[in-house]
Amino acid sequence: DSGVTQTPKHLITATGQRVTLRCSPRSGDLSVYWYQQSLDQGLQFLIQYYNGEERAKGNILERFSAQQFPDLHSELNLSSLELGDSALYFCASSVGVRGETQYFGPGTRLLVL
Amino acid sequence: GDSVTQMEGPVTLSEEAFLTINCTYTATGYPSLFWYVQYPGEGLQLLLKATKADDKGSNKGFEATYRKETTSFHLEKGSVQVSDSAVYFCALTRGYGGSQGNLIFGKGTKLSVKP
Repeated sequence: DSGVTQTPKHLITATGQRVTLRCSPRSGDLSVYWYQQSLDQGLQFLIQYYNGEERAKGNILERFSAQQFPDLHSELNLSSLELGDSALYFCASSVGVRGETQYFGPGTRLLVL
Repeated sequence: GDSVTQMEGPVTLSEEAFLTINCTYTATGYPSLFWYVQYPGEGLQLLLKATKADDKGSNKGFEATYRKETTSFHLEKGSVQVSDSAVYFCALTRGYGGSQGNLIFGKGTKLSVKP
């Protein structure tokens, strides 16, 4: 158990819908990262928050957004969903802002029908 | 940009065989290097890491040495077990010299170990 929790574990929805994925980092970790894992793209970095502030952006679509709350949990919002958004979404956390070991949650499997 | 290249799988071995999974990287500055493992239906677990040249990371019988001269971080294990069957990812972060902390992953190598 990494100490990072993600909910829900599975999500099935329809095209055009909006969903919210939730992540709670390990106790004491200030950074939260979101990654997308798909068969064709592999593991891709989406976005990083550090202590409530957006720190870095990767290949995140404009339809996707995220935030980190004062209690350090984070939410990833995916809107106007398309079939191609079906993937495994991982959250990871680390103590600092860069270079440290990241600990991953179990992931949320999203299926868009 | 920074990138990680690892050997294509799948790799199929018999129990007690020697394992090598090759990983090379391209990066500016001084990256930290990682191996993560993903067991079926689970998230990624850190297997080992190295943060500077010539460091050797090791865990559960797996080893990898950070070779700056060959920009490599090959994963090795002397005797694999059926329970080692998983997907292995090589990854880097740009370390303290970089502006971003995210991991950059290779495509993953699926290992199957037969009894």
